[in-house]
Amino acid sequence: DTGVSQDPRHKITKRGQNVTFRCDPISEHNRLYWYRQTLGQGPEFLTYFQNEAQLEKSRLLSDRFSAERPKGSFSTLEIQRTEQGDSAMYLCASSHGFDRGYEQYFGPGTRLTVT
Amino acid sequence: SQQGEEDPQALSIQEGENATMNCSYKTSINNLQWYRQNSGRGLVHLILIRSNEREKHSGRLRVTLDTSKKSSSLLITASRAADTASYFCATVREYGNKLVFGAGTILRVKS
Repeated sequence: DTGVSQDPRHKITKRGQNVTFRCDPISEHNRLYWYRQTLGQGPEFLTYFQNEAQLEKSRLLSDRFSAERPKGSFSTLEIQRTEQGDSAMYLCASSHGFDRGYEQYFGPGTRLTVT
Repeated sequence: SQQGEEDPQALSIQEGENATMNCSYKTSINNLQWYRQNSGRGLVHLILIRSNEREKHSGRLRVTLDTSKKSSSLLITASRAADTASYFCATVREYGNKLVFGAGTILRVKS
């Protein structure tokens, strides 16, 4: 039984470069979430998908951020023209079910450092 | 922005003692969840309590929910060194889908 996986685990990039992260949810889960966590804070919601449909986006998700889940399975989060303020842990989570009453299972995260 | 606030921000206890963490939130909720995070394992789901429930147990964990006060508490009994971690409460709003986290409580259990 595999949990949520994320790739890469660490990414160091220079300001202005584009980066893409991948998340593979638990296979039977139809909901997939992206969160961002900075040091000393709890995770903050970025966006979520139900199957392939992106149903909600946070105001934190500026025009430089885009997320996809093309076939309702894995998801990618791309950040264009990275800024130092984008440095954070990016967490992916998945959950089962079509309502909000299910726990979310988190992946190990991708730690992004923008130099 | 984060909805919840955990109290205390940090807690240090001896192995075998009980640890209590509190969480307050601001809006009506569908459910409240507690998570643990340490550097080695990432965020791990501990327990979910629905808005129509008042208390829930799971092993050494006891969670209470008071929707009239918009607060919850997590009790860890007979703590172990391995319980050392950050603990977060997170709410799902009544008509929402995402988790809204607090800033967390850092628990240190000394052996």
